[in-house]
Amino acid sequence: DTGVSQNPRHKITKRGQNVTFRCDPISEHNRLYWYRQTLGQGPEFLTYFQNEAQLEKSRLLSDRFSAERPKGSFSTLEIQRTEQGDSAMYLCASSSYGQGVHYEQYFGPGTRLTVT
Amino acid sequence: RKEVEQDPGPFNVPEGATVAFNCTYSNSASQSFFWYRQDCRKEPKLLMSVYSSGNEDGRFTAQLNRASQYISLLIRDSKLSDSATYLCVVPRHSGGGADGLTFGKGTHLIIQP
Repeated sequence: DTGVSQNPRHKITKRGQNVTFRCDPISEHNRLYWYRQTLGQGPEFLTYFQNEAQLEKSRLLSDRFSAERPKGSFSTLEIQRTEQGDSAMYLCASSSYGQGVHYEQYFGPGTRLTVT
Repeated sequence: RKEVEQDPGPFNVPEGATVAFNCTYSNSASQSFFWYRQDCRKEPKLLMSVYSSGNEDGRFTAQLNRASQYISLLIRDSKLSDSATYLCVVPRHSGGGADGLTFGKGTHLIIQP
């Protein structure tokens, strides 16, 4: 399977703990995106990378959130001191940015986080 | 106007019927538009991309009206397997979505036998 993969698929943690999620994009894709989705809402943009460079972070991304893509391939999203409001599905997507104008994004299966 | 607005439904439609959803968007600089399908507790899957006035793929037709800033999705001969949430998606900023996407809340479709 050459699609976007995410691990773990589910994570239950206690409030105040740190968690880290991993995303492996489609191999030839140079752009990688993180989104968060809560029940009844569409996904909300968090941040994105072009290769290893983080180009933009949403104001939704508090200081407790950090994302990296150290070698321009996989990415990690860390949440420090988790709060119950962090409970959501964290989705990763990738696309191929280049000469074109239109960029389709393909999503991984997501990591469902529950903070108790 | 909200960035992306959709009727949340649910739309309850008998199998074999035709159903249409509309979506309005606020960013007039958008050049690309997308419909994603999302099944319960699964990831969004790209259904159709719309770059010009419209696009057709089998039973699915997407149309774009730039003047009125709305996108529609038409599903003909609906199947039970079409039951899902349909997300209307536009670029966050101008252009084709390279810097991220803005999603509507989704329209919930239920196809009844």
